[in-house]
Amino acid sequence: DGGITQSPKYLFRKEGQNVTLSCEQNLNHDAMYWYRQDPGQGLRLIYYSQIVNDFQKGDIAEGYSVSREKKESFPLTVTSAQKNPTAFYLCASGGPYNSPLHFGNGTRLTVT
Amino acid sequence: GEDVEQSLFLSVREGDSSVINCTYTDSSSTYLYWYKQEPGAGLQLLTYIFSNMDMKQDQRLTVLLNKKDKHLSLRIADTQTGDSAIYFCAESGPSRGTYKYIFGTGTRLKVLA
Repeated sequence: DGGITQSPKYLFRKEGQNVTLSCEQNLNHDAMYWYRQDPGQGLRLIYYSQIVNDFQKGDIAEGYSVSREKKESFPLTVTSAQKNPTAFYLCASGGPYNSPLHFGNGTRLTVT
Repeated sequence: GEDVEQSLFLSVREGDSSVINCTYTDSSSTYLYWYKQEPGAGLQLLTYIFSNMDMKQDQRLTVLLNKKDKHLSLRIADTQTGDSAIYFCAESGPSRGTYKYIFGTGTRLKVLA
């Protein structure tokens, strides 16, 4: 079955530590996206990538970093510079030409 | 800038129809989408409509698009308790050589038994 896998589902970290969230897709999609979801705020775009080895900042990229070394994988690192990292993080991928985004099941990150 | 707006809450009785509304500002939108999010899960694509259509029906779901008023609605017929979730409206369109996706803040639908 094709889909997007995010891991882990829950992640706990101490303040000051970097943490990496995994996102893998087997839909053969070129584009991949990371969104952050906070209660009552909808989805905010962190980073996106339309092709391997290339990515662009979204609306709230500060304190985050990404890489796109393989088409299937788009990991997100939440760095210690991110002031309010506790949130629900969603990864998505999309095919060509403005097609619908497909989402993973999310990772809930809690930083204390 | 581009914006997508939805009301935050909707409550309906089981068996009734639900209508979730959305307005958007970008006239260059090419596709409009409805997603469903259950607690603790990702967004599930329900349906989408091309901007030159005015209606799409898919089983219990009917999407109506008024392009002149930039208004999109999702009607769920015979609403069931399993339809309780957050529903997101989204639009996409060309933007500076790429495609952008703008999401609304979501409408929480509560179905009363």
